[in-house]
This record gives sequence, structure tokens and C-alpha cells, in this order.
Amino acid sequence: SAVISQKPSRDICQRGTSLTIQCQVDSQVTMMFWYRQQPGQSLTLIATANQGSEATYESGFVIDKFPISRPNLTFSTLTVSNMSPEDSSIYLCSAAGGWGEKLFFGSGTQLSVL
Amino acid sequence: SQQGEEDPQALSIQEGENATMNCSYKTSINNLQWYRQNSGRGLVHLILIRSNEREKHSGRLRVTLDTSKKSSSLLITASRAADTASYFCATASYGNNRLAFGKGNQVVVIP
Repeated sequence: SAVISQKPSRDICQRGTSLTIQCQVDSQVTMMFWYRQQPGQSLTLIATANQGSEATYESGFVIDKFPISRPNLTFSTLTVSNMSPEDSSIYLCSAAGGWGEKLFFGSGTQLSVL
Repeated sequence: SQQGEEDPQALSIQEGENATMNCSYKTSINNLQWYRQNSGRGLVHLILIRSNEREKHSGRLRVTLDTSKKSSSLLITASRAADTASYFCATASYGNNRLAFGKGNQVVVIP
């Protein structure tokens, strides 16, 4: 199993600013993902964080808006850039040992943009 | 269309009763997983069932998988107030490197 520490747990930000969310896993993992979840909704995958290379983004998400880093097998960051109220959501980091295996999740970052 | 799509229902049951929720999907899968989420926190993995399995148990949880109908069910027996949460199914499909999550079922267990 893996334990994921995600921070901050919540933040209130001003429009036009950026926020970086950090995700630390207590063991090396093959796969790391970033999700967004609107209140009462399911999870939407933003991107797969690739170690040592550019993240793989899903349709509707772009690197300029959501730059992601993954410098090693245990750590990743997601930045929400130039925020607007529409970015208010819960952002979740997750990790898996391999394809198709169970996901471990961080506790989430609740973001409110004013 | 979305993989891992639960029946869009909210369940409200009394403590001690059983809760059943369903999930349907559209393409061939390698496995199907169920997760629980409490109050907008991170998801917790409950159980994984592989495409060649038909039923799996874990404590008070029972999962079935019918690949001919492309559907799964999650049964929680003898529910407790602590089972109040949202439950999501997710599918791992061949040729896809990430899980596809369904819409989720809200379950409220009344003490």
C-alpha cells in the first residue's frame, strides 16, 4: 500500500493568481495522476504525471493552465495557473503501482477562487 | 460515453439494512474496482474484481461482476452509520492506461 500526503488541504485564492499543489508518496510508484472533482460529481482526469518527462493531458486540459512536474517516483506537483472562479473544485492526487492496479489517493485540495 | 456508470440513485437506509448499488460499463475490461469517498475527501479503494471473476467478498462487502451484461453490483451488508459515503466504480480497460470512474452513488445510513 501507499500513503499519499497532499497539501494544501484547502485554499482560497484570488482571481488571476496561481496555486501549486504538492503530492508526496511514501514509496516509489509507477503511475501518478491528477484529478478534478466538482461538488457532487465524479472524478475527471486532468493528466498523468510522467517521471522525467512531460505530463500526458486529457482532452480539455492544457499544460499552460495546469503545469505538472514529477521529478522522481515519489513526488509530483500540479499548478493551477491564472485562476478563475471556474477553477473552484477539489483536486486529487493519486498513485498506482502499475496499470490497472488500485489507486491510492491523497486527501484532496479544496480550492475556492474569488 | 462514460465507462463505469452507476445507476444514478441516492440511497437512504436504516442502520443494519443492506445497501446495493450497481455499475454498468460499455467496453471490455481487465478489472472493475469500487471506491468509497467520505465528504469530498480522497477516495479509498474497497475491492477489485478481475474480468475472470464473478464474485468477491471483503468483510461486509460483496461484489459481483457479470461480463455478459457488462455490469457489477456492490452489496454492503448490515450497514453502519460510518458507511455513509459516496461509492464509485471504476474500470480498467485494455488499451487505456487509466481508470474510468462512474458518477457515484450517495449512500446515507440513518442510525
